[in-house]
Amino acid sequence: SQQGEEDPQALSIQEGENATMNCSYKTSINNLQWYRQNSGRGLVHLILIRSNEREKHSGRLRVTLDTSKKSSSLLITASRAADTASYFCATDETGANSKLTFGKGITLSVRP
Amino acid sequence: GAVVSQHPSWVICKSGTSVKIECRSLDFQATTMFWYRQFPKQSLMLMATSNEGSKATYEQGVEKDKFLINHASLTLSTLTVTSAHPEDSSFYICSASSLWSSYNSPLHFGNGTRLTVT
Repeated sequence: SQQGEEDPQALSIQEGENATMNCSYKTSINNLQWYRQNSGRGLVHLILIRSNEREKHSGRLRVTLDTSKKSSSLLITASRAADTASYFCATDETGANSKLTFGKGITLSVRP
Repeated sequence: GAVVSQHPSWVICKSGTSVKIECRSLDFQATTMFWYRQFPKQSLMLMATSNEGSKATYEQGVEKDKFLINHASLTLSTLTVTSAHPEDSSFYICSASSLWSSYNSPLHFGNGTRLTVT
């Protein structure tokens, strides 16, 4: 069943702008992860935030987690055309044994 | 490190034939491998979880006799789509969890296999 729900579904921005993507989920989690997928390819892990963490940074990425609201956001700063891809949040539900449940994904287009 | 190789990257087959997709962990031992299916512009739907040396656990609605999964070693899992039909055309992706990873570790994904059944 679908756990994560991202919004917006599609986002188009100009190179250099920041991109913010949101994800909501329904159940208790061990962690929440963000992945990137280029068209026709597999998924690349971007960042993982644990349930006891509130914010995490990795390069141009910043992810937040609000377990009280069951939501997360991914911010990509100073976007580049190469950031154009689909982005998925995935939740590792408590007791699910590393089985990830993915959201529907957000298509990000960065215009050069 | 943590590379997962999936083969083939694409395959076209005729209706009624069977297709085998391989998923290998190249530089780590994978106790658990997951098989996902993805339709165009949609999310990944988990099909089954396979643990080395035991039977796969299938998600509700996935036919285990249709999608045969074998995880005979710590580095190889295979998915065989038996008697494929056009509706089985999809993008199949495997992922692996390392033997040494904790439950707060990311999964490592293969590059996927595009299956087209004519």
